[in-house]
Amino acid sequence: EAQVTQNPRYLITVTGKKLTVTCSQNMNHEYMSWYRQDPGLGLRQIYYSMNVEVTDKGDVPEGYKVSRKEKRNFPLILESPSPNQTSLYFCASSFTQAGELFFGEGSRLTVL
Amino acid sequence: RKEVEQDPGPFNVPEGATVAFNCTYSNSASQSFFWYRQDCRKEPKLLMSVYSSGNEDGRFTAQLNRASQYISLLIRDSKLSDSATYLCVPSFQKLVFGTGTRLLVSP
Repeated sequence: EAQVTQNPRYLITVTGKKLTVTCSQNMNHEYMSWYRQDPGLGLRQIYYSMNVEVTDKGDVPEGYKVSRKEKRNFPLILESPSPNQTSLYFCASSFTQAGELFFGEGSRLTVL
Repeated sequence: RKEVEQDPGPFNVPEGATVAFNCTYSNSASQSFFWYRQDCRKEPKLLMSVYSSGNEDGRFTAQLNRASQYISLLIRDSKLSDSATYLCVPSFQKLVFGTGTRLLVSP
């Protein structure tokens, strides 16, 4: 089944404790992206990747890192999480940057 | 001005009603347009693409007006299962998501 898988789905952590949210897709998509969704603000792009070893900042990249060592994986790293990073995070992938996006089920992160 | 503007709603309609949402976008260079549907706390999923000539998919009709820079979605014969948030998504080099319009269909 074609899908985007992200883990963990739910996480409660404390300020400053490094965490990684993994994302994997099995559709051979070149484009992958991370979004956060907050009430009233909609989906905001954090980082995106056009292909392996090619990543770039989105609209709200501060406090996040990403890597794209393999085509299928695009982990999101929070080196030192803070409470303002409490949010619902979605990973998505697509054949092209402007085409239909396929989303993972989301990761709800709470930083205390 | 926001890149994409949508009425947040909620639109409360009875089953069987016809409901329409509009969305305006600011980037006149936008080339592709989509409507995504998002159920509460779930991931967005593509509902339909929007073509210049307008297009229909069952009970759903999408229209694009490039001159006025707005997109519309019409839902006929609303079902309870149509209750969701509808995201307007124009695209220029990347997809830009609106904050969505919430629809509640009641029995």
